[in-house]
Amino acid sequence: KAGVTQTPRYLIKTRGQQVTLSCSPISGHRSVSWYQQTPGQGLQFLFEYFSETQRNKGNFPGRFSGRQFSNSRSEMNVSTLELGDSALYLCASSLEGDGYTFGSGTRLTVV
Amino acid sequence: GDSVTQMEGPVTLSEEAFLTINCTYTATGYPSLFWYVQYPGEGLQLLLKATKADDKGSNKGFEATYRKETTSFHLEKGSVQVSDSAVYFCALKANQAGTALIFGKGTTLSVSS
Repeated sequence: KAGVTQTPRYLIKTRGQQVTLSCSPISGHRSVSWYQQTPGQGLQFLFEYFSETQRNKGNFPGRFSGRQFSNSRSEMNVSTLELGDSALYLCASSLEGDGYTFGSGTRLTVV
Repeated sequence: GDSVTQMEGPVTLSEEAFLTINCTYTATGYPSLFWYVQYPGEGLQLLLKATKADDKGSNKGFEATYRKETTSFHLEKGSVQVSDSAVYFCALKANQAGTALIFGKGTTLSVSS
């Protein structure tokens, strides 16, 4: 069965721009979580969606937002990009009570 | 709040050596515990998990036992291979809906032939 698909794999954006990242979970998985990975801060939780509702949110500014569609696909948006937003953004899907399956990530570089 | 502490890396070993990566956690209740592995340029792959005290997770020769009394979940492998070179993350998740995975900072393993 297909895994978690994240698009695009790589992005280069300019400071001040906005960006939208996409995540398609494993079929049947209704929970989608997003994480930011940087060398300095490691893996940090952004938010989780379940059945189109945000169920949990990490400690990130309001420039980071997300949503989930009725088919469980999820998008995250970062507005007014800063250099410090350069990171690998990972999406994970899960069945309730089970482990998380991660996608390959989107590498965002802000210049 | 809940947290995970992993041993600092990098860990450098010769092929066929024994591997231990220490992981301890702080949590209320009885979280589920995980080890994930990340190969260069890729996302995280679930290596093994344990959901209750004394459970042993195992996969691809790796093992870890959920020790409630020492709040630990150390990763071990009896004989490492060059292909095991990667970054290993210990993580926990509280057993409540909507709680996030909390990760340790990761341990880089480098195995030489």
